[in-house]
Amino acid sequence: ETGVTQSPTHLIKTRGQQVTLRCSSQSGHNTVSWYQQALGQGPQFIFQYYREEENGRGNFPPRFSGLQFPNYSSELNVNALELDDSALYLCASSLPGATGRAGELFFGEGSRLTVL
Amino acid sequence: AQRVTQPEKLLSVFKGAPVELKCNYSYSGSPELFWYVQYSRQRLQLLLRHISRESIKGFTADLNKGETSFHLKKPFAQEEDSAMYYCALFPGGYNKLIFGAGTRLAVHP
Repeated sequence: ETGVTQSPTHLIKTRGQQVTLRCSSQSGHNTVSWYQQALGQGPQFIFQYYREEENGRGNFPPRFSGLQFPNYSSELNVNALELDDSALYLCASSLPGATGRAGELFFGEGSRLTVL
Repeated sequence: AQRVTQPEKLLSVFKGAPVELKCNYSYSGSPELFWYVQYSRQRLQLLLRHISRESIKGFTADLNKGETSFHLKKPFAQEEDSAMYYCALFPGGYNKLIFGAGTRLAVHP
């Protein structure tokens, strides 16, 4: 069974730039969600993708966007980077909530973004 | 407002001592609550969920709706329990979890 993998593991960008983070979900999981974890904080929900569509979003501006592909992998895109976007970005895959396993997330190791 | 509060950033105990990691939540409906754990150099992973009422690695957590709490307990801490612990609330619908800020448990020999 392949776990959740994320790339890149670390990256540095400057203000105003754009970034794309990638995630491959765990084998058999068709739902992917993204979280932002600032230093000293718990993960904060950005959005979730199921069947290639966004079906839930947290309190993040539209410059945070995503995609899900037919193989269930996903991308997180952030435009017009701000200093406060510096954080660990976590991808999590899961089974759909209807399976009774709602809330059971399998996390990747994260992509650490630094915005200068 | 939906919120999870973990009042302690750090809990430091000696091996063999009892451990209680506190978690309080704010939610108007019937909550589903989870504990996630992150060991050093490992990814965040599910420890237990209140619905299953399991004991995992000696840890238990009871949902107290009256006190809106979901404290994590273990009677005898082990050094390998040292990790970051996050309490999380699932408010329903899609797989959004609301996490607390986490408590670092340090178990000393």
